[in-house]
Amino acid sequence: QITLKESGPTLVKPTQTLTLTCTFSGFSLSTSGVGVGWIRQPPGKALEWLALIYWDDDKRYSPSLKSRLTITKDTSKNQVVLTMTNMDPVDTATYYCAHARRYYDSSGYSAGYYFDYWGQGTLVTVSS
Amino acid sequence: DIQMTQSPSSVSASVGDRVTITCRASQGISSWLAWYQQKPGKAPKLLIYAASSLQSGVPSRFSGSGSGTDFTLTISSLQPEDFATYYCQQANSFPMLTFGGGTKVEIK
Repeated sequence: QITLKESGPTLVKPTQTLTLTCTFSGFSLSTSGVGVGWIRQPPGKALEWLALIYWDDDKRYSPSLKSRLTITKDTSKNQVVLTMTNMDPVDTATYYCAHARRYYDSSGYSAGYYFDYWGQGTLVTVSS
Repeated sequence: DIQMTQSPSSVSASVGDRVTITCRASQGISSWLAWYQQKPGKAPKLLIYAASSLQSGVPSRFSGSGSGTDFTLTISSLQPEDFATYYCQQANSFPMLTFGGGTKVEIK
């Protein structure tokens, strides 16, 4: 059974750095084709993908936020950490971590990575 | 960057109705598209991947179709538990994994 849970501060001040930890179980982040991603959702708004780290330590970031994001993994602890610098009130959102794996189409060809297990999310408010 | 545009932004329907939601990509993404369902206060749930493949455990009333730039999610007979917001997500254009703006399915 795959589970993920986000942890971190619920309130940060503008300009501070946010550090969120995703602790997971039921899979290994050293397994080929597996990744863990971060997605956020401002109140009442749509989902926004932030970052993804793969089993081989390859890392991908949203281009619009790349300069502010860092994603790392600790395979031995089953944890993935996301840091976001220079927080602003517009960064107020529920932050989710999610298990990603490579899916294949009916012909057996790779069809991309999708998020099939999600954490419950953690609401982070940015306010002075 | 690839943009994903969903329509309509909301739809009112009754139990038993057939509901169709559209997602359009700003450029071709082959079949690299997923659909998620999100209920209030909950995390999204993967319904469809690779445009038309049903995720394990998802009811067969959900189906997806399309390739290239135009995709649809169809709920063949809307059930009370299907009232939620639905998002598409493209996985073709690295490094971006873009979500659509969402479609809220409401009770008529």
